[in-house]
Amino acid sequence: NAGVTQTPKFRVLKTGQSMTLLCAQDMNHEYMYWYRQDPGMGLRLIHYSVGEGTTAKGEVPDGYNVSRLKKQNFLLGLESAAPSQTSVYFCASIAGVGDTQYFGPGTRLTVL
Amino acid sequence: GNSVTQMEGPVTLSEEAFLTINCTYTATGYPSLFWYVQYPGEGLQLLLKATKADDKGSNKGFEATYRKETTSFHLEKGSVQVSDSAVYFCALLDTGRRALTFGSGTRLQVQP
Repeated sequence: NAGVTQTPKFRVLKTGQSMTLLCAQDMNHEYMYWYRQDPGMGLRLIHYSVGEGTTAKGEVPDGYNVSRLKKQNFLLGLESAAPSQTSVYFCASIAGVGDTQYFGPGTRLTVL
Repeated sequence: GNSVTQMEGPVTLSEEAFLTINCTYTATGYPSLFWYVQYPGEGLQLLLKATKADDKGSNKGFEATYRKETTSFHLEKGSVQVSDSAVYFCALLDTGRRALTFGSGTRLQVQP
C-alpha cells in the first residue's frame, strides 16, 4: 500500500495564479483532511471531508476550495493564489473506526 | 474550542540526556491524545498515542501518560540520541470531526 500520497511535492506560483493539489489514499478511509503548516503555528485544518461527495470547512478555509468526487481522492484548490498562502500543505486520512490519522509527505507551495 | 499548548523550543540537549516536552490541552470530553514527530524535510509520523485517562503510550523509548486531572500529555525519553533531533507535535483528536488539533511544535536538537 502506498498510504497517502500528494501531488505535486513542490510548486511555485505567482500571485493570482490558480492550482490544484491532489491527495490520494489507498486505505479505503472515510475521512480526509487538508492542513497547512506554518512556522511556529503547528498544523491548522483548512477543509475536511467525512465521505465521498461531502466537504466541510476547518479553521482556515478562506481562499481555498475542495472536492471529494471519489472516495480515495481529496483535491485542494487555490483559485487566486496570494503570498499568505505560502506554506507546506499536508493531507491526511482516517478510517471511520479508529483514531489514527495517516499523513502524506506534504506539498511545499511558494507564492511570489 | 479545543486547544493544545506545548513548550516553546528549541530544546537543545546533549546525547544521553533526559528529555521532557510539556503538553497541556483544553477539550470537551476525553479526546485521544497523540505525539507526532517530523524529521527534517519529511512529513509527520505518529510517535505514540493514548486513548483514555491514565493510558501510557510508548514507542522507540519515548513515553507519555494521559493525565486527565492535569489535562496533560508530557513526552519523555530517558536518553536521547542525535537521531532524535526533530520537531515534535502534541495533538488531540476532535471526536466530532475526527480532525486533529495541534500544538505549535517543539524543535529538539541533540548534540553529540
